[in-house]
Amino acid sequence: EAGVTQSPTHLIKTRGQQATLRCSPISGHTSVYWYQQALGLGLQFLLWYDEGEERNRGNFPPRFSGRQFPNYSSELNVNALELEDSALYLCASSPFRGRGETQYFGPGTRLLVL
Amino acid sequence: KNEVEQSPQNLTAQEGEFITINCSYSVGISALHWLQQHPGGGIVSLFMLSSGKKKHGRLIATINIQEKHSSLHITASHPRDSAVYICAVKRGGATNKLIFGTGTLLAVQP
Repeated sequence: EAGVTQSPTHLIKTRGQQATLRCSPISGHTSVYWYQQALGLGLQFLLWYDEGEERNRGNFPPRFSGRQFPNYSSELNVNALELEDSALYLCASSPFRGRGETQYFGPGTRLLVL
Repeated sequence: KNEVEQSPQNLTAQEGEFITINCSYSVGISALHWLQQHPGGGIVSLFMLSSGKKKHGRLIATINIQEKHSSLHITASHPRDSAVYICAVKRGGATNKLIFGTGTLLAVQP
């Protein structure tokens, strides 16, 4: 069974541009989570989608947004990129609403903002 | 003060040693995860537990809900165990988000 996949693996952008990151959950999983791991800051929760709706978001500005498609895959969009957005962005998935279930992580997308 | 604290931050061990990594948290939780992150960045979920003890191979995880503390033990450590080990707690209620510790960098030397 395929795990969580993310694309691209690496992304280089310049300040002010927009970045789009993609995530495909494990088959049968309806919840998708996005996390940011910036250098020296550890992992931080960004967004949680389930059944196509945003269920919760972390303490990030509105220029971080996303969506979940009917096939449960998800996009994370970061507008007006800033240098400090450079980080590893991890996606995770779990079964319906994740209650009592482990989150399975993807390999991540490394975003570098120049 | 972070809601999830791990100790030690860095740990160097000799192959074969018994290793313990500790995690303390200050919030109410519904579950606690132990994660392993290798240098490439990918994360593997090792355990999710809400009470008691779990064992998988050479790895053992325990949690004491009353004391808000969990430990990850590695028996007969091996250089391939070298990684960052991260403790993460799932808050109770409908938020379903994980709050992460800062991680423990483990280096096991042959």
